[in-house]
Amino acid sequence: EIVLTQSPGTLSLSPGARATLSCRASQSVGSGYLAWYQHKPGQAPRLLIYATSTRATGISDRFSGSGSGTDFTLSISRLQPEDFAVYYCQQYGSSTYTFGQGTRLEIK
Amino acid sequence: QVQLVQSGAEVKKPGSSVKVSCKASAGTFRSYAFSWVRQAPGQGLEWMGGITPMFGTPNYAQKFQGRVTITADEATRTAYMELSSLRSEDTAVYFCARSVVVVIAAGYYYYAMDAWGQGTTVTVSS
Repeated sequence: EIVLTQSPGTLSLSPGARATLSCRASQSVGSGYLAWYQHKPGQAPRLLIYATSTRATGISDRFSGSGSGTDFTLSISRLQPEDFAVYYCQQYGSSTYTFGQGTRLEIK
Repeated sequence: QVQLVQSGAEVKKPGSSVKVSCKASAGTFRSYAFSWVRQAPGQGLEWMGGITPMFGTPNYAQKFQGRVTITADEATRTAYMELSSLRSEDTAVYFCARSVVVVIAAGYYYYAMDAWGQGTTVTVSS
């Protein structure tokens, strides 16, 4: 089973800043099948990025994903108040999934 | 745009079972995968298992093997998750999520989760 480790655990930034979130896999993620989700309290998670760098339908171009192999990054430019949430990476591409433990993005 | 509507909150005693439903409003139900993901208080997202109605055989996370049963009813476009031998640590919000299934020569695999239910709170308490 691939283990995903996200860093940092918490990221404190001001609106307008740029956020960089990391996700490291214990082994190479096949075909770049790495996704990112945004999760706010009391809501369902929302798919942001799939296949490492493809934005899901309706997702702002302020969100971008990159990486390969075992190291992946989610970048969020010009942070808006609604971006402050918990972000999870997830590997897929088999008949099972694993999630990272999450990065909390909070307002500084 | 598919909507996944889950059943309501449950309060259960330790040792009992809970069954949560997830009804899909539209789309080709049988060819998608429906997974169950939970979030315990203060914890992250945890995949429990999933099923593709077209294939029928569920897949489970090792942690939940033997305690979770995931089924799907094509006639009612509803997926179900039943968790047995409940303990206090199972108190959580349970989400269903839909994903595309990619069929390959060797079988199939799940894609990213592009639609989610609203979540069902399950509280296990004596």
